[in-house]
Amino acid sequence: QSALAQPASVSGSPGQSITISCTGTSIDVGEYDYVTWYQHHPGQVPKLIIYDVSKRPSGVSRRFSGSKSGSTASLSISGLRAEDEADYFCSSYTDKFTWVFGGGTRLTVL
Amino acid sequence: EVQLLQSGAEVKKPGSSVKISCKFSGNTFGDYYIHWVRRAPGRGLEWVGLVEPEEGHTVYAESLEGRVTLSADTSIDTAYMQLRSLTSEDTAVYFCATEKWLPRSYFFDPWGPGTLVIVSS
Repeated sequence: QSALAQPASVSGSPGQSITISCTGTSIDVGEYDYVTWYQHHPGQVPKLIIYDVSKRPSGVSRRFSGSKSGSTASLSISGLRAEDEADYFCSSYTDKFTWVFGGGTRLTVL
Repeated sequence: EVQLLQSGAEVKKPGSSVKISCKFSGNTFGDYYIHWVRRAPGRGLEWVGLVEPEEGHTVYAESLEGRVTLSADTSIDTAYMQLRSLTSEDTAVYFCATEKWLPRSYFFDPWGPGTLVIVSS
C-alpha cells in the first residue's frame, strides 16, 4: 500500500490561508469518505483535526476545514497563526480493511 | 474520557524483538479497536495495524505482516505490540490509538503518549 501523496512543505504568513492536498487512489480516498487529518508537533501526540473528509471534532478551530474531490482530499487553514506550524498528515481507510497515511506536509508560518 | 498509557522507551539490538504495551482506561475496552502507528525520525506516520480486543481479530499493514503481532488482554484492558527481527529502520516512536467500533468512527482519537524504540548495535 503506497502512502498518500502530500506536498513535503507549505508555508504562509500569519493571517494568510493555505491548502494542503492529499492524493490517493480509487481504493482509498476515491472510494471512501473516511479521510482524516492529523496535526503533529514532533515530540507530542498527534491531534485529530478533521474526520470524515470535512467534519471538525469539538474544540478544533473553525479555521481548519476539509474537502474532497475524486481521489484528492484537501485541508485548508485560514488565518494562519504561529501555533499552526506543525506536520500535517492525511489518512484514509482502504478497501483492504487497512489504513494508509500520507507522507506528511511540514507547515511553516513565516 | 478514554486515556492510554504506554510502556517506557526500549533500546534493542538488531535482530531482536520488542513488545510494548498500551493500557486503556476511561471506557469499555471492548468497544474500541486499538491501532498502532509509528513515526520514524525524519519520516511520516505509518499505520502498523489494529487489534479488536474482545475477539482478538487483527489486521496488519502489508509492509510489516509476518514481523508484527498485535494482541490484547481484556482482563487488564491492555493492548500489546510485538515486533520481531528488528532493524535500524524500526527505530521510531510507536503510538497506540483508539477507534470506536460501536458505531465505527473511522478515526483515531485519542492517542497514547508514544513509546520510543531505538534499534542499535
